[in-house]
Amino acid sequence: AQSVTQLDSHVSVSEGTPVLLRCNYSSSYSPSLFWYVQHPNKGLQLLLKYTSAATLVKGINGFEAEFKKSETSFHLTKPSAHMSDAAEYFCVVSVYTTSGTYKYIFGTGTRLKVLA
Amino acid sequence: DAGVIQSPRHEVTEMGQEVTLRCKPISGHDYLFWYRQTMMRGLELLIYFNNNVPIDDSGMPEDRFSAKMPNASFSTLKIQPSEPRDSAVYFCASTTRQGVPAYEQYFGPGTRLTVT
Repeated sequence: AQSVTQLDSHVSVSEGTPVLLRCNYSSSYSPSLFWYVQHPNKGLQLLLKYTSAATLVKGINGFEAEFKKSETSFHLTKPSAHMSDAAEYFCVVSVYTTSGTYKYIFGTGTRLKVLA
Repeated sequence: DAGVIQSPRHEVTEMGQEVTLRCKPISGHDYLFWYRQTMMRGLELLIYFNNNVPIDDSGMPEDRFSAKMPNASFSTLKIQPSEPRDSAVYFCASTTRQGVPAYEQYFGPGTRLTVT
């Protein structure tokens, strides 16, 4: 069964320092992976997605993620954190279902805190 | 586009009462998803529709939960009778490219339900 594991439930960084949010996946075939962000009291917004076209994926707001098959990882990074990056981040895998469609499986989330 | 619209944004009700949550997907989207988010269980898929037809309702927790999609622009999630453990944030999402694994879901702002 496909799944994702987010290794940290909380991450704190200082403004201007790098961000690293970790995600490992489990899949028997090439997965489709996503990172979504949820700001307080808001819905989820897509940051970026991996579709096997390129292992380094660039997203919105300066975020990027690298797909590493050998490590079964899809970590999210940003060179310099802004206060506005404080939010909860979800790693997601898209899985094929018996009904012939795809559905999302969400990680447990990582809450990012940015310190002034 | 106004995005996915959910109403109400907040609902407080007493145990035993009927609760109806509403969702208007993005125009032209043919898939609609209902999710529940809690601290204990994270984000869970409850049910999803394709062209107004329920495809997978295996995530619906109990018979007290029901969902309908009478037309392409409206869906409801009903809980009857409600219980305190139903307290959560309920999200609706829609998409139009479900046939590929790396499709994006567009989320509404959510309805925060509190059952006392």
